[in-house]
Amino acid sequence: DARVTQTPRHKVTEMGQEVTMRCQPILGHNTVFWYRQTMMQGLELLAYFRNRAPLDDSGMPKDRFSAEMPDATLATLKIQPSEPRDSAVYFCASGLGTSGRDRELFFGEGSRLTVL
Amino acid sequence: LAKTTQPISMDSYEGQEVNITCSHNNIATNDYITWYQQFPSQGPRFIIQGYKTKVTNEVASLFIPADRKSSTLSLPRVSLSDTAVYYCLVDRTSNTGKLIFGQGTTLQVKP
Repeated sequence: DARVTQTPRHKVTEMGQEVTMRCQPILGHNTVFWYRQTMMQGLELLAYFRNRAPLDDSGMPKDRFSAEMPDATLATLKIQPSEPRDSAVYFCASGLGTSGRDRELFFGEGSRLTVL
Repeated sequence: LAKTTQPISMDSYEGQEVNITCSHNNIATNDYITWYQQFPSQGPRFIIQGYKTKVTNEVASLFIPADRKSSTLSLPRVSLSDTAVYYCLVDRTSNTGKLIFGQGTTLQVKP
C-alpha cells in the first residue's frame, strides 16, 4: 500500500533551534508539495517541486525556511531558526502529472511541530 | 487561479444526503474542479474530480452545471465517519502546477 511517509510525526523544540522535517514521496511520483496547516490560516502552500526541481516557494518565509529534494525519494523542509509562530502541522504530498485533469495528491500524515 | 467560495460549516444527521455547493465564478476553460476530504489529525484525501456535468464514484457524486461557475458535492446517506472538512479546489491545467486550498466546509454529522 503506497503512501507518503513523513518524519518526525511530532516535534517539540525551543525557539531558535533548527528543525528538519522529512518526506518520502510515493515511488514514481514526480511532484512534491509542502503545506502548513494552522487553525487560523488553514492549509497554506509553502513550496512544491516537479522532478526534484523547485517550481514555487513563494509561500515560504525565505529568511528561515528552506526546502530541498536531495533525491527522488526524499524531500526536506528546514526551519532555522524556529519561532513559536512556526508551530503548525506540516504536510507533504506527492502526485503525478502537472495539474488539472487526473491530478491527485496523496498526503502524508503530517509532522506536528511545537516551538516553545 | 480561480477563487472558490463554500460554506464554512454544515450540520447533518446520519442517513441523510448532504450537498455542499462551491462557487467558482471565474473558472477558466482549462480548470478542473476537485474535492478533497480531511479527517481530524490526517492529511487531506482526494475524493472526486470533474470538468462538467456529473461524475460519480464509490464515495460521492459531483454535479457541475453547464456554466461551470459552481459545483455541488453530494454525499449519499452520510454516517458519523463522514464528519470532516471538505475542500473544493480549482485545478488549472498549466505549467504553474499550484494547488491552493481554501477554508473548506466543516461537515458535522450527528447521530
